[in-house]
Parts: sequence; C-alpha cells; structure tokens
Amino acid sequence: GAVVSQHPSWVICKSGTSVKIECRSLDFQATTMFWYRQFPKQSLMLMATSNEGSKATYEQGVEKDKFLINHASLTLSTLTVTSAHPEDSSFYICSASGMDLSEAFFGQGTRLTVV
Amino acid sequence: KQEVTQIPAALSVPEGENLVLNCSFTDSAIYNLQWFRQDPGKGLTSLLLIQSSQREQTSGRLNASLDKSSGRSTLYIAASQPGDSATYLCAAPNAGGTSYGKLTFGQGTILTVHP
Repeated sequence: GAVVSQHPSWVICKSGTSVKIECRSLDFQATTMFWYRQFPKQSLMLMATSNEGSKATYEQGVEKDKFLINHASLTLSTLTVTSAHPEDSSFYICSASGMDLSEAFFGQGTRLTVV
Repeated sequence: KQEVTQIPAALSVPEGENLVLNCSFTDSAIYNLQWFRQDPGKGLTSLLLIQSSQREQTSGRLNASLDKSSGRSTLYIAASQPGDSATYLCAAPNAGGTSYGKLTFGQGTILTVHP
C-alpha cells in the first residue's frame, strides 16, 4: 500500500505556543489529505479536509483559526495548532488519498501534550 | 449524517477462540467499509477494505463481510492469539461523501485475548 509519514510522532509544548505537525505522502501524489483527532478513550473524529492548493474544509465545531491547515504541495500537508491549551492535548492523525487510489492511507499519528 | 456503531465495546476471550466483531452504519450509500486495528498509543493499521460491490474480504485469519442493505459489517477472527489484543475500529465514508477519505469511525471494540 501507499505510505504516509507523519512527523513528529509525539510533542510536548507549553500552553500558549504553536505546534506544527507534518503529513507527507512518500510514494504517491496526495490530492486530498484529512486530519483527525482522537481524545483518550474515544474514537477518531474528522477535523478537516484539505485539497492541494485550496483552503481546507473544516468540520462543524472545529475552529479554523486555531487549527491552521496548509496543503501547498501534492506530498505535504501541515496542521498547526495555534496558541495551544491543555484541552488540545490529543492524538492527531492524518490520512491521504490520491486520484488513482480507492482508499485513504493513514500516517502514524502525533501525540500532542500541552502543559 | 453517517453514524457507525460497534458492538461489543469490549471482549475478552481465551486464546484459540473464534470471534465476531460487529459494526453497523446508518447510511448504506457507501463506496467501501474498512476495518482497522489500533494498538495502545499507536496509529492505525488497515486490516481489510471491502468495496461496495463485494460481500466479503479475507486476509489470513481475518474475514470481513459487508451487507449494505442491512447496514452491517462483521469482522471474524479465527483462532485468536494474544497478539490479536488491540482495539478494532470500523469506518465508513461520511454520508453523501464523494471522497474515499472522509471516514466516520465507530467507537471500537477492545479485544483482549488471554493465554
């Protein structure tokens, strides 16, 4: 299957700072990327969808000014958590889909802890 | 809006047992349905992807079935092993979605296989 790499795998940051998470498709062109988050003991919830070169589409209840998504190339999307607070501590995971692919492939996830 | 429900929430079995995990979804107009495995603190491992035109998929000791008309899927694990212990997630594309990657996840079934 296609490979999606997510970096970093874990990060600890201070409250009020910003954190950037990268999602890369290594062996295919990702026309669409998806960002999910998973709070402890809960399932994954879709946060936003990004298409290369376009603004991201956010799900209801997700603050677009807090979670900045950039998908500037066909192999890279970034999620920046701005002014992070402890309640943003979560597991963030991306997936990517290409035009010739019939499924989306997931990265390894990033564990964010805001202290 | 797509809703995905998994039962049971948790399952504990002795090694060697055959078991069935259940998934139901509300919007049957899906392209496919996917089963994932998630180990504690880790990302997702895709187990099986069933296309809407298929009724089942098999991989080793795993068999997944799909009945779109009733909105149900089952994951059958044969001869369970302690290494199968993990959370199993079922995911279906969002209602009305045209993208393969916008998934709604169930809450998962936590499986424990004890020696």
